[in-house]
Amino acid sequence: DAGVIQSPRHEVTEMGQEVTLRCKPISGHNSLFWYRQTMMRGLELLIYFNNNVPIDDSGMPEDRFSAKMPNASFSTLKIQPSEPRDSAVYFCASSRGQGTGELFFGEGSRLTVL
Amino acid sequence: GEDVEQSLFLSVREGDSSVINCTYTDSSSTYLYWYKQEPGAGLQLLTYIFSNMDMKQDQRLTVLLNKKDKHLSLRIADTQTGDSAIYFCAEGRSGSARQLTFGSGTQLTVLP
Repeated sequence: DAGVIQSPRHEVTEMGQEVTLRCKPISGHNSLFWYRQTMMRGLELLIYFNNNVPIDDSGMPEDRFSAKMPNASFSTLKIQPSEPRDSAVYFCASSRGQGTGELFFGEGSRLTVL
Repeated sequence: GEDVEQSLFLSVREGDSSVINCTYTDSSSTYLYWYKQEPGAGLQLLTYIFSNMDMKQDQRLTVLLNKKDKHLSLRIADTQTGDSAIYFCAEGRSGSARQLTFGSGTQLTVLP
């Protein structure tokens, strides 16, 4: 079975540009999470969805960040405009949302904003 | 709020045992997890333990839980160079992934 698929794996962009990160969760999982990982702040939960509905976006840094989940098999995280401090690895994870609560992580999207 | 703390670094010699420690604050945690992150990859679940257990063993891995002290540890026996990675402790409630709180991760370096 395919795991969580993220794209792009690497993105280098200039300050002020729009960045869109994409995620395809594991089929049948009904919870989807976006995390950001940096050396300084570790792993931070940005937002999570349950059955395509955003449940908690309190971790989203500011209005420049937005996330959508138009259907059960696709989600995007958008940063507009991007800033150098947004440079990080962004992970998408999915879960069945019950049972042991195991999260399945994608390989991550490494974003560098110059 | 919930908090999970780990030491940042651990170095061991190949063949020795590694012990990675974690403390958490949420007494209502029902599951505690250990995740492993290899360079350039996402986190993968290594093992988990129910809060009503005090020990779980899985091949070279032993998880010990002291619920009274809110202390969790991961012991890796016969540590190999392939075990070099970042290990994250996480706690959750009611088996629901949305309640997971992660620690900062412990970078394990295995020296030859």
